[in-house]
Amino acid sequence: DAKTTQPTSMDCAEGRAANLPCNHSTISGNEYVYWYRQIHSQGPQYIIHGLKNNETNEMASLIITEDRKSSTLILPHATLRDTAVYYCIVRTLRSGGSNYKLTFGKGTLLTVNP
Amino acid sequence: ETGVTQTPRHLVMGMTNKKSLKCEQHLGHNAMYWYKQSAKKPLELMFVYSLEERVENNSVPSRFSPECPNSSHLFLHLHTLQPEDSALYLCASSPEHTDTQYFGPGTRLTVL
Repeated sequence: DAKTTQPTSMDCAEGRAANLPCNHSTISGNEYVYWYRQIHSQGPQYIIHGLKNNETNEMASLIITEDRKSSTLILPHATLRDTAVYYCIVRTLRSGGSNYKLTFGKGTLLTVNP
Repeated sequence: ETGVTQTPRHLVMGMTNKKSLKCEQHLGHNAMYWYKQSAKKPLELMFVYSLEERVENNSVPSRFSPECPNSSHLFLHLHTLQPEDSALYLCASSPEHTDTQYFGPGTRLTVL
C-alpha cells in the first residue's frame, strides 16, 4: 500500500471549514484513499473513501486531485466535537481473503477552537 | 455508536493474572480484528478473523491468545502480560466485500 504524508497538526475555528491535506504521490491505479478519525481515547471512526472522483457524505467531502497524488478532506462546518486525529490511508481493495490490514500512520491532529 | 461493543472498558491486571477482553458486533459483518494502540504510537494490527478463521497474526507474542467462537464474538485472552503491554486494545469488524472497518470504543489495559 502507498505511503501517505500528512501535517502533524492543524487548527480551525469553530464554524469554519477544515481542510485536511494528504499527499500520496506513489499511489497506484487500483488504490483507494480512505479517511478515518480518532477522537481522544475512542476507537477510530470511518469518514469517507474514494478512488478518483470527489465524494461527499453527511460527514465530509473528499477531493482527490486529477493525478491522484494528493487529496483533501473537507469538514464544511467544523465543531468542537470534530477535534480529533485524522488519518489518511491508501490501500487496495481487499479481495479473495487477503489484504485485511489498514495501516494507520501518525495522522493530523485537528484542533477546533471556539 | 458503531455497533461494536467491547468489555470491559478499563482493566487493571497484575503480571500473573489471566483475563479476557470481549468484543461483540451485531452488524452482520464476517471479519473481526484486534488492534493495539500504545501511547504515542500508531495502531498496530494484531489479529484478523474472517468467517471465524484466523487469517492474520502479526507476530504477536503467545501471551495474547485470540478466540472467535462465532462471527459476532471475538475474545482476546491475556496471560502473564508485561507492563509494556499496557495499551488501548481496539476491536473492529467489517463486511465481506468492503474495507470499511467499524471500531469499538476499546479496552484501556494497565498491567502492573
